[in-house]
Amino acid sequence: QQQVKQSPQSLIVQKGGISIINCAYENTAFDYFPWYQQFPGKGPALLIAIRPDVSEKKEGRFTISFNKSAKQFSLHIMDSQPGDSATYFCANGRSGYSTLTFGKGTMLLVSP
Amino acid sequence: EAGVVQSPRYKIIEKKQPVAFWCNPISGHNTLYWYRQNLGQGPELLIRYENEEAVDDSQLPKDRFSAERLKGVDSTLKIQPAELGDSAVYLCASSPGTSGGYTDTQYFGPGTRLTVL
Repeated sequence: QQQVKQSPQSLIVQKGGISIINCAYENTAFDYFPWYQQFPGKGPALLIAIRPDVSEKKEGRFTISFNKSAKQFSLHIMDSQPGDSATYFCANGRSGYSTLTFGKGTMLLVSP
Repeated sequence: EAGVVQSPRYKIIEKKQPVAFWCNPISGHNTLYWYRQNLGQGPELLIRYENEEAVDDSQLPKDRFSAERLKGVDSTLKIQPAELGDSAVYLCASSPGTSGGYTDTQYFGPGTRLTVL
């Protein structure tokens, strides 16, 4: 399976701060890059996704930045809230294939 | 709209015993996935169904794992016999399967946490 490398493994941010999680991929054939959020005891849920024809996508407090030349993409959570405390997974997918490959996850803790 | 339903939520068995997990996808979703999530890791695909057909089972350990999706709706994943290393959360997901696949949002169930003693 193609790898997607995610960092950091864990992150502690103060309430109101910016949380940044990074991912790097290998194969330029991938053209779909979602982020999933998972709370304890729950399955992952799609948070936001981007395709490589744009460099940035914003939905509320969540922004994906995409750097095609560096084969990297990142999730920015603005004004982080305690309710954002969860594990975040980046993933990548490819045209014609329904399969997603997930990163190992980043455990985010937003302190009050 | 009801989400993906999985049962049981928790299962504890002794090694070498069989175990089965059940999944009911979101109504109308053609694509169904089974993932395994080890502690501290991301989900890893085991098998993907398009309707009744298993179209990607390359990561399924076929010597002990089997799956079926009768009538293209519910699905069952079985392990026989279970090994200690099979302890993990088994996640089922479904997607509409109408947009050509890869950009379909996958909706995950809560998973079954399996502990093999």
